[in-house]
Amino acid sequence: QKEVEQNSGPLSVPEGAIASLNCTYSDRGSQSFFWYRQYSGKSPELIMFIYSNGDKEDGRFTAQLNKASQYVSLLIRDSQPSDSATYLCAVNRGAQKLVFGQGTRLTINP
Amino acid sequence: EPEVTQTPSHQVTQMGQEVILRCVPISNHLYFYWYRQILGQKVEFLVSFYNNEISEKSEIFDDQFSVERPDGSNFTLKIRSTKLEDSAMYFCASSEGAGGTYEQYFGPGTRLTVT
Repeated sequence: QKEVEQNSGPLSVPEGAIASLNCTYSDRGSQSFFWYRQYSGKSPELIMFIYSNGDKEDGRFTAQLNKASQYVSLLIRDSQPSDSATYLCAVNRGAQKLVFGQGTRLTINP
Repeated sequence: EPEVTQTPSHQVTQMGQEVILRCVPISNHLYFYWYRQILGQKVEFLVSFYNNEISEKSEIFDDQFSVERPDGSNFTLKIRSTKLEDSAMYFCASSEGAGGTYEQYFGPGTRLTVT
């Protein structure tokens, strides 16, 4: 079982709609969860992180965490073409390293 | 806004040669990291560094790799004898602290091509 799993996509969403990206993790000791955006050929760019069960909102982005289900998601409201990228879920188990998923490729269609 | 910088942006080297990748972390950050991403694959942790010593490393980080903070600003990754499979994007990252509530910020990366 992979430590961090994401659907590789591509996920196609019309402009203005809500994009929903999902991630599951295998280690129940995982403590915090990060969402990064990566444009093709570029480095990961931090969007937000969450470590408590429930929702956390930052602008158009909402992260949701359910530790019982070992599930974390990212919602992007009012999707824009500039949101088209690969979204990386990363997990920290309280140490220093981040464990990344494969990423979900998101395409926003005008 | 402070950012992590890396040089060079692209390095081409021949198999068996040594390369040094350089990074300048964000100035008030205390923890430094190297990650790599082989084309089409996920980002993988290599090593973390704190207080002038390695604090955590992955199984990828074998004896051909080393890290150093040669002065107060630079953080380097040395690959002693490069192999074809070392071709990847190498990302440096830094954070204020360690553990779950500290964000890691990534530099733009160095694309290493081993021929």
